[in-house]
Amino acid sequence: EVQLVESGGGLVQPGGSLRLSCAASGFTFRSYWMHWVRQAPGKGLVWVSRINSDGSSTIYADSVKGRFTISRDNAKNTLYLRMNSLRVEDTAVYYCTREGMAARFVDYWGQGTLVTVSS
Amino acid sequence: QSVLTQPPSASGTPGQRVTISCSGSSSNIGSNYVYWYQQVPGTAPKLLIYKNDQRPSGVPDRFSGSKSGASASLAISGLRSEDEADYYCAAWDDSLSGVFGAGTRLTVL
Repeated sequence: EVQLVESGGGLVQPGGSLRLSCAASGFTFRSYWMHWVRQAPGKGLVWVSRINSDGSSTIYADSVKGRFTISRDNAKNTLYLRMNSLRVEDTAVYYCTREGMAARFVDYWGQGTLVTVSS
Repeated sequence: QSVLTQPPSASGTPGQRVTISCSGSSSNIGSNYVYWYQQVPGTAPKLLIYKNDQRPSGVPDRFSGSKSGASASLAISGLRSEDEADYYCAAWDDSLSGVFGAGTRLTVL
């Protein structure tokens, strides 16, 4: 069974940093591209970032480019999202998601971790 | 605003058939697969339809997807109370980003 378990969310002040982690199991993690998607309270889903299977290629939404860094450790079956210079508008539930094989978008989702940026 | 356009709400009575539309452009729906997700408030989204019209195992055949040009639609037949949720369409965009619709809140009357 595919499982994606996020951790690392919490309350942080504007301008602060946070690192989210996503522990993957139930599939061959090193073979899959991965994404982060976020959802502000009461709002819709917004794509954040994507990383390819070996971590050599990453892309970001314009709203987070230069502030967020996606990475992965295939030996630990773990995906990361380093978030710097956090803004109030970054407050959201962050979902770790897997891209299906030859699919070009996501199939499985984690349960999400809440990031709150507030003073 | 969202890149993909969905109606904000839809409704139907038990047993009815409802459809939810999703409109995009040549750079997303027009040239890439469409995905549909169901989200019950307070829970994570769940994949409902992938690659335009494919159902993952475990998704009832009451749910079906279609695509034509730069538009897509999700149909739910034999509506049930447990179908009440938010539904999102999504696709990859050739500008190298993922794009979602704003979501459609389905109410079962």
